[in-house]
Order: sequence, then structure tokens, then C-alpha cells
Amino acid sequence: GENVEQHPSTLSVQEGDSAVIKCTYSDSASNYFPWYKQELGKRPQLIIDIRSNVGEKKDQRIAVTLNKTAKHFSLHITETQPEDSAVYFCAASGYTGNQFYFGTGTSLTVIP
Amino acid sequence: EPEVTQTPSHQVTQMGQEVILRCVPISNHLYFYWYRQILGQKVEFLVSFYNNEISEKSEIFDDQFSVERPDGSNFTLKIRSTKLEDSAMYFCASSDLLGTNYEQYFGPGTRLTVT
Repeated sequence: GENVEQHPSTLSVQEGDSAVIKCTYSDSASNYFPWYKQELGKRPQLIIDIRSNVGEKKDQRIAVTLNKTAKHFSLHITETQPEDSAVYFCAASGYTGNQFYFGTGTSLTVIP
Repeated sequence: EPEVTQTPSHQVTQMGQEVILRCVPISNHLYFYWYRQILGQKVEFLVSFYNNEISEKSEIFDDQFSVERPDGSNFTLKIRSTKLEDSAMYFCASSDLLGTNYEQYFGPGTRLTVT
């Protein structure tokens, strides 16, 4: 089955700086890669996703890049704000089943 | 905006007891899922459900687990005889269209504590 690795496990940045979280996946058949943000005690919420037919997608301060050859994808948050503090999970999904395989999560802290 | 709802928000049960976790997916969605998250760990897939039957399940989803869609709106997860290691947050999710590779909308979760 699919195995998703995520790094780093914790990340602290100063407000206004950028944050980058990286994930790798093992199954070349995976073709959908969502990123979820989970605030303490709350449900995971989709913040951005990318499909395998594109290499980059951007939504305001958030961007995701995908390298299919290397089987890795990354989340980039620019101009970080304290409200960006949360746990971020990457995930991968493929054609054979539509379950998501999640990474281990990155706890992001934005220091005011 | 429609949301997935789950009840109860917190369930405490004794080891060996049966529990039923309830979910109301978004009304026009076709695929339903259960995931669990042990405290501090990643979200893990349990089972997906489509067209009134299980479409995929993980190794975690053994004979102690079952799912049901008893009516047009509810989707339930039953754990027949709970163990201490079943303590976790259980998330229900749903997705629309054909489900493959589309966004999954998560419910707020049920925190299950087995004592």
C-alpha cells in the first residue's frame, strides 16, 4: 500500500516568514494530493490540493508543488500569521481506492 | 455551507462494551469513510462505503468493526467489543461525485475513550 512520509514534525517560524512542509509518497499510482489543516480539537480541513497532471498550484499565501518523478510534494505558506499555527497533514490517494493515506503531521507554530 | 456532523462528540465506555458512532454525511455525497486518529498520531483510514457496501477497508478494520447506513442520512460505525487500544478520535468523512481523488469533508470527530 501507499506510504506517506512528512517532514518536519515540528516547525516554528517568525510571523511574516515562510514555512515549507515536505511529503514523499511511495505509490506511483497516487494522483491526488490534498493538504489538511487541523486546529487543536477540531476537524481536519482542506486548505489546498493538487492533482498529478499539474506541477504547482497557488491560492493566495498557500502553494503546493508536486514532483511526480521524485514522488514528493510540498506545502509553502508565505507571510505566515499566528492564525496559521496548527497541525498540517499531507495525504495521497490513487485510483485503486479512494481512501487517503496521511502523513504523520507537522505542528506549525508562528511566533508573533 | 453543508457540513458532516457526528454524534456523540465524546464517548466513554468500558472495555468489552459495544459502541456505535454516528455520522450524518453531506446530503448529496456518495462516498463515506471512517478514519481514526490516536492521540498525537496520524489520521488512519478504516473503511470506505459506497452504494450500500464496503468498497475498501484497512487492516485495522477487523471483525470487531462494522459499518451501516441504516437510513438515507445516517452512517454508523460499530465496535463490537471495545479494547483499550480503540481509544482514539474517530472521524467520519464524505465525498461527492464518484469519490475518487476528490475532496473528503471531515466531521468534527467523536473522541472514544475506553477504560
